[in-house]
Amino acid sequence: DQQVKQNSPSLSVQEGRISILNCDYTNSMFDYFLWYKKYPAEGPTFLISISSIKDKNEDGRFTVFLNKSAKHLSLHIVPSQPGDSAVYFCAASARGGGATNKLIFGTGTLLAVQP
Amino acid sequence: DSGVTQTPKHLITATGQRVTLRCSPRSGDLSVYWYQQSLDQGLQFLIQYYNGEERAKGNILERFSAQQFPDLHSELNLSSLELGDSALYFCASSVYGGRQETQYFGPGTRLLVL
Repeated sequence: DQQVKQNSPSLSVQEGRISILNCDYTNSMFDYFLWYKKYPAEGPTFLISISSIKDKNEDGRFTVFLNKSAKHLSLHIVPSQPGDSAVYFCAASARGGGATNKLIFGTGTLLAVQP
Repeated sequence: DSGVTQTPKHLITATGQRVTLRCSPRSGDLSVYWYQQSLDQGLQFLIQYYNGEERAKGNILERFSAQQFPDLHSELNLSSLELGDSALYFCASSVYGGRQETQYFGPGTRLLVL
């Protein structure tokens, strides 16, 4: 049972344009969401996070939007650069269940930014 | 560089063997997490430690065990290895392992079981 879903396995965007990566979740107990970027042969690198008390968080070229009613979040990258080409993972953690902060990950979206 | 280190980077072994993966968290972080990424699955949470104590368990097999030492480094022990254990194993750390903390990941150990 996949609680965090990234339905697009891949996305191709032109340099300078906007990249929009999507993520859906099913567990209403999730209250903290993160995006990680991963290059081959490296570990996931933290990009940006958002708490469920917000609907938007910005950090430079990266903005995450959270729509709780739709159980949907998205990562916008503007402008996209060739160095952004990587696999992007959406992750979530749930309130309740003790003090743990274990993350549930989506399956990732491969972003290719074309020069 | 996240500040989380993992050794070894690559490991090749045979079925039935036992291996130990090592992780050093970022300076100041008290909590360590282990995740497994196999070809057909995304990143799956295995286990979390906080200051030497187990805090949470995920889908960790009974053949696998972990511990966190007084110097806060952690080891993941995998025994009676099977072909299906071939995967990337990532360690992550955070300050207190509490709610809504960002986890920072190491570069991973690629395990190949032949």
